[in-house]
Amino acid sequence: GENVEQHPSTLSVQEGDSAVIKCTYSDSASNYFPWYKQELGKRPQLIIDIRSNVGEKKDQRIAVTLNKTAKHFSLHITETQPEDSAVYFCAASNIRDMRFGAGTRLTVKP
Amino acid sequence: NAGVTQTPKFQVLKTGQSMTLQCAQDMNHNSMYWYRQDPGMGLRLIYYSASEGTTDKGEVPNGYNVSRLNKREFSLRLESAAPSQTSVYFCASTLDLADNEQFFGPGTRLTVL
Repeated sequence: GENVEQHPSTLSVQEGDSAVIKCTYSDSASNYFPWYKQELGKRPQLIIDIRSNVGEKKDQRIAVTLNKTAKHFSLHITETQPEDSAVYFCAASNIRDMRFGAGTRLTVKP
Repeated sequence: NAGVTQTPKFQVLKTGQSMTLQCAQDMNHNSMYWYRQDPGMGLRLIYYSASEGTTDKGEVPNGYNVSRLNKREFSLRLESAAPSQTSVYFCASTLDLADNEQFFGPGTRLTVL
């Protein structure tokens, strides 16, 4: 089955700096790669996603890149703000199920 | 539109007790999922239902059963709870199959003593 690895497990940045989180996946049949943000005690919520026929997608301060050949994808957050502090999960999905990475706890220091 | 709802929010069980976690969605989604979330391990898929009338095992199905009662409802049953099943359980749904945005419920925090 699919195996998703996520790094780093914790990340601390100063407000205004950029943050990058990286994931690798194993199943070449995976075709959908979402990123979820989970605040403490809350449910995961989608922040951005990308499909395997696209190499990069951007939404304001958030961008995701996908390298299908190398089977890795990354989340980039620019101009970080304290409210970006949360746990971020990557995931890789084929048509049947979705597998999540172990999560990255991002702390943005004011 | 309530989205995805789960009951109960919290539950404490003794080892060996049974219980059913309820999940419902009002978005007319076809596919529904049950995950457990443990510290440092992300979300792990327990069971899923690609469409009404079908269920399949996920990554960690042992100790659990599911029922897709109708299009709206997907329940998770623990027949004989064990301390290893202490976790936060999330239900999710997608319009159709896994390669789409999943909408999560608020979660159920379960403790097994």
